[in-house]
Amino acid sequence: DTEVTQTPKHLVMGMTNKKSLKCEQHMGHRAMYWYKQKAKKPPELMFVYSYEKLSINESVPSRFSPECPNSSLLNLHLHALQPEDSALYLCASSRYEAGANYGYTFGSGTRLTVV
Amino acid sequence: KQEVTQIPAALSVPEGENLVLNCSFTDSAIYNLQWFRQDPGKGLTSLLLIQSSQREQTSGRLNASLDKSSGRSTLYIAASQPGDSATYLCAVRPQDSNYQLIWGAGTKLIIKP
Repeated sequence: DTEVTQTPKHLVMGMTNKKSLKCEQHMGHRAMYWYKQKAKKPPELMFVYSYEKLSINESVPSRFSPECPNSSLLNLHLHALQPEDSALYLCASSRYEAGANYGYTFGSGTRLTVV
Repeated sequence: KQEVTQIPAALSVPEGENLVLNCSFTDSAIYNLQWFRQDPGKGLTSLLLIQSSQREQTSGRLNASLDKSSGRSTLYIAASQPGDSATYLCAVRPQDSNYQLIWGAGTKLIIKP
């Protein structure tokens, strides 16, 4: 299995809703990432988990809450989002070692629309 | 601070042509450089990963080169097909960060039948 699987593929939510995005990989990667991508822009890093612990939070608003319940799963819990949070949310994984020379594997993304 | 630039921003060529996409970076202290493809509204597909010690990588009709000293990478696509139409992004992994990828803005490629 060489894929990162993201669900759902599309999500429309109101500003008062609570929803979650899910990401799963079975490649044994111990680093997992959430990225946000707006139209015609490169991805922006949001969170990094290494060995199921949050390593990096790129000053993301608290209405985005990540969770890594085990080495294969990564969730992004959403609450009280704003319309400007509408974007493509990408999950990625990679092997983790300090100074490692490994590439990233990305999922197909969740297209989020906040109404 | 590492910066990555991709030129051109958009490219339209007839089917069957060979083409080159460019990626330049300002700091040669990188672990690797990765080329990705992105179809509209879709996720990122990794095309080629070049380690800092390598000069090039090949996969099918794709060939990526890396010249660290000059801060340049090229993605060569041979015998282009309409299915190659997509946005191509390059990203470098700097040595001063275990996790960050520094991205170019991408080249939007259109292959005309």
